[in-house]
Amino acid sequence: RKEVEQDPGPFNVPEGATVAFNCTYSNSASQSFFWYRQDCRKEPKLLMSVYSSGNEDGRFTAQLNRASQYISLLIRDSKLSDSATYLCVVLRPPAAGNKLTFGGGTRVLVKP
Amino acid sequence: NAGVTQTPKFQVLKTGQSMTLQCAQDMNHNSMYWYRQDPGMGLRLIYYSASEGTTDKGEVPNGYNVSRLNKREFSLRLESAAPSQTSVYFCASSVSSGANVLTFGAGSRLTVL
Repeated sequence: RKEVEQDPGPFNVPEGATVAFNCTYSNSASQSFFWYRQDCRKEPKLLMSVYSSGNEDGRFTAQLNRASQYISLLIRDSKLSDSATYLCVVLRPPAAGNKLTFGGGTRVLVKP
Repeated sequence: NAGVTQTPKFQVLKTGQSMTLQCAQDMNHNSMYWYRQDPGMGLRLIYYSASEGTTDKGEVPNGYNVSRLNKREFSLRLESAAPSQTSVYFCASSVSSGANVLTFGAGSRLTVL
């Protein structure tokens, strides 16, 4: 089992619609969680951190479910510019090296 | 406002050739990293340097060496390139090794024939 797993997609989303996708992680002691965004042939960039209580940043909402060991990202009112690959990133606990582990990414295509 | 700069952007090598990927950051970050990204695999850590003067292996270090030349620069060397090393390589930096936010360079696309 991969340490961090994501549905690779693509999720084809009509402009203006809502899309949501999850990421599962295997180490229950994982410390912190993030979503990075990667545009085609570009470098990853931090989109948002994921807090235990859930958090929003504009049209983006991130949730953490520790009991089921997954995080989610929801995008409301999708824009064409939201088309990208979204990388789930998990910080391993100190006993496992305290390093960031990346999922394979979920591709989102927003279409007019 | 350069951030993390890596060179070259593209490189084609023949099997057995050697090369060095260069990375420099101007954010006064202590920690630097080298990742490779392959389709469907996610980014995998090759080597990292928690601070100037230290380097450590990541998940996939075989076939690579690194040098933390100074606080700004962290290079990745392929001594004898193999087709399995065809990948996109990203350098990244963070304030410290425990920091959660990485700043990435633009990537280097390497093809080994």
